[in-house]
Amino acid sequence: GENVEQHPSTLSVQEGDSAVIKCTYSDSASNYFPWYKQELGKGPQLIIDIRSNVGEKKDQRIAVTLNKTAKHFSLHITETQPEDSAVYFCAASGTGGFKTIFGAGTRLFVKA
Amino acid sequence: SQTIHQWPATLVQPVGSPLSLECTVEGTSNPNLYWYRQAAGRGLQLLFYSVGIGQISSEVPQNLSASRPQDRQFILSSKKLLLSDSGFYLCAWSAHRGGSYNEQFFGPGTRLTVL
Repeated sequence: GENVEQHPSTLSVQEGDSAVIKCTYSDSASNYFPWYKQELGKGPQLIIDIRSNVGEKKDQRIAVTLNKTAKHFSLHITETQPEDSAVYFCAASGTGGFKTIFGAGTRLFVKA
Repeated sequence: SQTIHQWPATLVQPVGSPLSLECTVEGTSNPNLYWYRQAAGRGLQLLFYSVGIGQISSEVPQNLSASRPQDRQFILSSKKLLLSDSGFYLCAWSAHRGGSYNEQFFGPGTRLTVL
């Protein structure tokens, strides 16, 4: 079945450094790749997404890249701040599909 | 703008008791609706999704059931809770746009503890 693998499971960085989270997906029909940020005790919030016709997208300090050939996509956070500390989930879904497959999550710690 | 509500926010229930969690969406019509469960420190497991009133698809066999009595209302139920039903339950919605991208938006969640 469809699967999304996410690495690392835990990531600790110093404030101001960059953080990179990587995901791979198995379903070649996937064409939409959202990233969610979940703070403690809250529901996940969509922070950025990328569609299959785009290789890279940037929004201020966060960027996502997509390599459809390799079925890889990544989240890049630059100039990290303590408020970036949270669990981040990658996900993949296909056109017309109702199911979004989520990665297992990455717990990011940003040390001040 | 669209908003999604879940209640209760937290719930402690004894084993064998019934369960009813409610989710409502405002500001949109005919949404796709989803129930997920998140075990402590784990990812999101899709339990049910619905593309319309009375239409429920189950993803995993379990002790739970879902219903959609109204367009923007989604209910998660159980007749008898198990210890393994403990977790963080999330409702989500997406626009019913047929072949378009499936952006999902999550509610605040309900933390269920079964004792």
